[in-house]
Amino acid sequence: DTGVSQDPRHKITKRGQNVTFRCDPISEHNRLYWYRQTLGQGPEFLTYFQNEAQLEKSRLLSDRFSAERPKGSFSTLEIQRTEQGDSAMYLCANDFIAGPQETQYFGPGTRLLVL
Amino acid sequence: KQEVTQIPAALSVPEGENLVLNCSFTDSAIYNLQWFRQDPGKGLTSLLLIQSSQREQTSGRLNASLDKSSGRSTLYIAASQPGDSATYLCAVPYTGRRALTFGSGTRLQVQP
Repeated sequence: DTGVSQDPRHKITKRGQNVTFRCDPISEHNRLYWYRQTLGQGPEFLTYFQNEAQLEKSRLLSDRFSAERPKGSFSTLEIQRTEQGDSAMYLCANDFIAGPQETQYFGPGTRLLVL
Repeated sequence: KQEVTQIPAALSVPEGENLVLNCSFTDSAIYNLQWFRQDPGKGLTSLLLIQSSQREQTSGRLNASLDKSSGRSTLYIAASQPGDSATYLCAVPYTGRRALTFGSGTRLQVQP
């Protein structure tokens, strides 16, 4: 257990519905990342925050995706009008500004299935 | 654009064997490389992080080496055990950024 928690752990939804995932990092004052992982592949970067500022977004993050990190604490990732291609594991990761060797600590992930 | 490749994609060995997992990356302007372990349906666990100025890191039965100039890293697992069965992923930061670029992983099965 890395101390990074994600909720829910599993989500099944119908195409066209909106879904929201939550990530609670280890500490407030650090960087927080979202990645997406499909079966048999490594995680792909989506976006990251330093405190409450969203500093970078991948081209994978279409207009249907939005992420927030109010007050630099927990973060949410919302997917609007879900598509079957959105089915994947969504992973949150956390590292420390000036922390030990900049290791990224990952949460257990939220597995999304879009029917 | 940084690309990370891992070979082999899958590996099955009997218990007790020493084994080597390979990772290569296209852009050598990295400042560290991480090896992770992922159990089925779970998140990632960091195993080792090698800074660009280092040649290797060791943790227990694991040893990771880094040759930045040739764009290669290896993860050596000594005396493999069934509990080592998992997918092993290597990752490097995007050049000049913090986000990680991952390989597709090596799926390891250690037979008792």
